[in-house]
Amino acid sequence: QVQLQESGPGLVKPSGTLSLTCAVSGGSISSSNWWSWVRQPPGKGLEWIGEIYHSGSTNYNPSLKSRVTISVDKSKNQFSLKLSSVTAADTAVYYCARNIADYDAFDIWGQGTMVTVSS
Amino acid sequence: SSELTQDPAVSVALGQTVRITCQGDSLRSYYASWYQQKPGQAPVLVIYGKNNRPSGIPDRFSGSSSGNTASLTITGAQAEDEADYYCNSRDSSGNHPLYVFGTGTKVTVL
Repeated sequence: QVQLQESGPGLVKPSGTLSLTCAVSGGSISSSNWWSWVRQPPGKGLEWIGEIYHSGSTNYNPSLKSRVTISVDKSKNQFSLKLSSVTAADTAVYYCARNIADYDAFDIWGQGTMVTVSS
Repeated sequence: SSELTQDPAVSVALGQTVRITCQGDSLRSYYASWYQQKPGQAPVLVIYGKNNRPSGIPDRFSGSSSGNTASLTITGAQAEDEADYYCNSRDSSGNHPLYVFGTGTKVTVL
């Protein structure tokens, strides 16, 4: 079955750029699914960051849109997140997730990766 | 954009029934999905669409919706159901579609 795995630096300096990749295994990123990033600050709730389709179409959370870029690499079967100008408020566990085709829900999640913004 | 509001915490006796609610304007247009999250783990989808359960989710979990309120019901709660639960829905009230999550409900099984 499809599995997702996040990877990237666990520590980012303030004002820097957070970069994460989500590798898709057991299935194709070119399937009829959108692919999302979701984050969760320590002790807090979930926040949707944005989504991408294999065509490259994207939708972003308006609260983060000016700092977020999500891209797809079909040759590597993965998609990526870049978040610029980070502050301590961006410290969180970052999850990648698969949107169920034809439903507004996320059926498969990566295990999550903790990213700390600190000097 | 819309917000989805949940009660912060509820408790339920072992084997009894608990209903978790989620309120928000987006729920008038979109179904809610529901996620269970245990400490240190990724969320797990338990209900989506009108009332669909992914494979492997026990049938004691069910969903319903009325107006601006969606509900997740656990009928015959088990000790392993103790977790945080989040609702989620699409929101298209702005210029572009997005997703919103609820504030979360901590369920304690007594």
